[in-house]
Amino acid sequence: DAGVTQSPTHLIKTRGQHVTLRCSPISGHKSVSWYQQVLGQGPQFIFQYYEKEERGRGNFPDRFSARQFPNYSSELNVNALLLGDSALYLCASRQTGNSPLHFGNGTRLTVT
Amino acid sequence: GQQVMQIPQYQHVQEGEDFTTYCNSSTTLSNIQWYKQRPGGHPVFLIQLVKSGEVKKQKRLTFQFGEAKKNSSLHITATQTTDVGTYFCAGNYGGSQGNLIFGKGTKLSVKP
Repeated sequence: DAGVTQSPTHLIKTRGQHVTLRCSPISGHKSVSWYQQVLGQGPQFIFQYYEKEERGRGNFPDRFSARQFPNYSSELNVNALLLGDSALYLCASRQTGNSPLHFGNGTRLTVT
Repeated sequence: GQQVMQIPQYQHVQEGEDFTTYCNSSTTLSNIQWYKQRPGGHPVFLIQLVKSGEVKKQKRLTFQFGEAKKNSSLHITATQTTDVGTYFCAGNYGGSQGNLIFGKGTKLSVKP
């Protein structure tokens, strides 16, 4: 079975631009979470979606938004990019609320 | 807010020495999970602890969950170069779709 897939793998954007990151969960997984990982730090929770509904939101500004589609894939959108948004964005899926997270390889976003 | 503290931040050991990383939460956890991230990779699930006082072993790795379900530890016996990476604990504070809050991780380097 395919694991969690994320696209694109790398992205370079300019301050003020907008970005959309995409994630396809493992087949059968209905929960998708997004994490931001700055170099040298642990993953910071951004959003969790389950059955297309937002079930959790971390301490991120409203410039960050997400959604989950009927096929359980998900998009993370970031508006008005700042230099500090440069990070590895990880998507993870899981079967239930207490099961392990399965991470994708991430999207490396660089904002210049 | 919910926060998971992890120490030490870095640990350098000689191959064959033991290694321990500690994780602490100010509030009771529903469960705790441990992940390993190799350099350039994504976090990979190692284990989940659910019960108070639980101890689980995976070959040279021993995981413990505190009696109060607020702290946890990971101990590696006789480290090998393949153990290199960053080890994260991630606390689940409950709810039907509990969000995982990651510690900052302990980066382990092993000198041959």
